[in-house]
Amino acid sequence: DIVMIQSPDSLAVSLGERATIKCKSSQSVLYDSNNKNYLAWYQQKPGLPPKLLIYWASTRESGVPDRFSGSGSGTDFTLTISSLQAEDVAVYFCHQYYSSPDSFGQGTKLQIK
Amino acid sequence: QVQLQESGPGLVKPSETLSLSCTVSGGSVSRGSHYWSWIRQPPGRGLEWIGFIYYGGGADYNPSLKSRVTIAADTSKNQVFLNLTSVTAADTAVYYCARDGGYCSGDSCFPTYFDHWGQGLLVTVSS
Repeated sequence: DIVMIQSPDSLAVSLGERATIKCKSSQSVLYDSNNKNYLAWYQQKPGLPPKLLIYWASTRESGVPDRFSGSGSGTDFTLTISSLQAEDVAVYFCHQYYSSPDSFGQGTKLQIK
Repeated sequence: QVQLQESGPGLVKPSETLSLSCTVSGGSVSRGSHYWSWIRQPPGRGLEWIGFIYYGGGADYNPSLKSRVTIAADTSKNQVFLNLTSVTAADTAVYYCARDGGYCSGDSCFPTYFDHWGQGLLVTVSS
């Protein structure tokens, strides 16, 4: 099974500043035949289900603000929020769908400093 | 717009079977490349994929739960079901159903990311 580790576990950033969350997989999630990284990012606010932000490691879901971006390849990935807004306070999860069973990172709690 | 809604008992006794339904609207469980998954989240903790079913009736389960899980679908009612047997307190969680967008290449389709989620249902295992 692929293990996903996020860092840090929690993060406090000032409004308007950049927030960076890392995700590392125990094996590569890059599928050579189509050159796609099978990695997604979700945002979860209290009492709500996760919301898809990014898929294929860097493709933003429709309607997601462009301050959210994803990068990385192979085993190392990053979710960046370029200018933190108050509504971005949430827990963020990475998710690999390269191989079964799907697995998620443990989550990163993002707060305002 | 696809919507998913979980339903079922919020309290299940230890050793009994947890049975949940997910009603899908705005989309069909019997068409397209989509996979229909169940995912759970113990209170205050992370996400665990339970398994999925897809058009044609195929299913795949997390090996950690495989011996206790069955996922099925009723295409006439556009519903997906989860059965989890012999539950313990460790099965207490919010249970989500989710649609997997699916990725097709040629004649083959593969599961991918979860683009639509239900609101979730808290199931507590307690006597």
